[in-house]
This record gives sequence, C-alpha cells and structure tokens, in this order.
Amino acid sequence: GQQVMQIPQYQHVQEGEDFTTYCNSSTTLSNIQWYKQRPGGHPVFLIQLVKSGEVKKQKRLTFQFGEAKKNSSLHITATQTTDVGTYFCAGPPSSGTYKYIFGTGTRLKVLA
Amino acid sequence: GAVVSQHPSRVICKSGTSVKIECRSLDFQATTMFWYRQFPKQSLMLMATSNEGSKATYEQGVEKDKFLINHASLTLSTLTVTSAHPEDSSFYICSARIARGGSNQPQHFGDGTRLSIL
Repeated sequence: GQQVMQIPQYQHVQEGEDFTTYCNSSTTLSNIQWYKQRPGGHPVFLIQLVKSGEVKKQKRLTFQFGEAKKNSSLHITATQTTDVGTYFCAGPPSSGTYKYIFGTGTRLKVLA
Repeated sequence: GAVVSQHPSRVICKSGTSVKIECRSLDFQATTMFWYRQFPKQSLMLMATSNEGSKATYEQGVEKDKFLINHASLTLSTLTVTSAHPEDSSFYICSARIARGGSNQPQHFGDGTRLSIL
C-alpha cells in the first residue's frame, strides 16, 4: 500500500536556526496537506498544495510540492519556541479517495 | 468555524469493557469522518473511514467486529472499542471533512481520546 515517509524523524535546533522536513510518498498524490501537532494536542491543518511545483508561504513557513507530486517539503525560517511540535504531511492517493495517509512525522524541538 | 468535538477526552477502564467514543462536527456537515489511532511518538494510523448512512470502510488489519463504527447523521460518528484489552490502549482521534467540495478538503480534527485499559 501507499507509504509516506518523512525525514528527519527528529530535529533539535537552536532558536533562530532554520528547519526543513521532507516528505516522500510511494505513490503520486492528488494534493498534499501539512499538519502540526503540538505535544499532547491534535493535528492542526496548516496548508494544502495541489499543483505540481507549487510553492506557498505562510509568514516564516515555506511549503513546496514536487514536480512529480510525490514529494513535498516544509521549511521554517528562524525558528521560534512556538514552532515546537510534530509536523506531518498527508495526502490522498491520486485515485481520488477521500482518505488520507499521514507521513511518519518530524518532531521539532527548539532550544531557547 | 469547522470545529470537531470528540468525547470523552480520557477513559480509564477495566479489561473487557466496551468503550464508546463520539465525534461531532459542530458547525458543519460531514459526510465522511475518519478514525485514527496514534501510539506515543508515532504517526496517525488510519483505522477506518466512516460514511454517513452506510457501512464504514476499514483499513487492512483493523478488525471490524472489534472497532464498531456508526455514522448515523451528518454530524455524528461513533467508534466503539468492544471488549477492550490493554493492547487497545492508545490515543484515538477522529477527523471530519466538510460535505461540500471535492477531495481537496482539509481535515478538521477532534481533540482525541486517550484510552487506557487496565
């Protein structure tokens, strides 16, 4: 079945450093979504990318969707302690189902 | 908008008990809801897709008779863990997507239910 892997699994950064997590799917995705889950909390939707090669920005966060629609990345510039949490990518297969397969997640820790 | 309420938030019970978890979309209609299971420090594993007015679609390896899903209305889906055992202890999270629109819809998550079976 479809697998969605993310690297790295963990990342510790000093506050102010940049951070990037990469998401790779074994199958083509019709769209990719990114979620953030704070410790003890539930996933919160961040953004959705639909088009091949799409790039979107949200303040310090930059999201990219690969040309082949099988990979994506999330880059955070100048991390802050509020960025702490686990970042998941997720997407439905191109077959058009509504179910979402979540990536393995990248846990970010920001040291003040 | 797009608030999903999940109840209860925490359950501690004895082995053999059946536990019912509710997932409600408060301000929108959801023809489809999803149930996930999340072990500590791991990703969300999709258990089943709950469809209003029809049978749920279970993922491979998930026992239908163990995890009963009912989606009787456009705003409520329930997951019942029948005869729960310690290995069923986990964090269960539901999500819902707004009924209108295509597959490019974000999921709105409930706060999750932490289930502990003694």
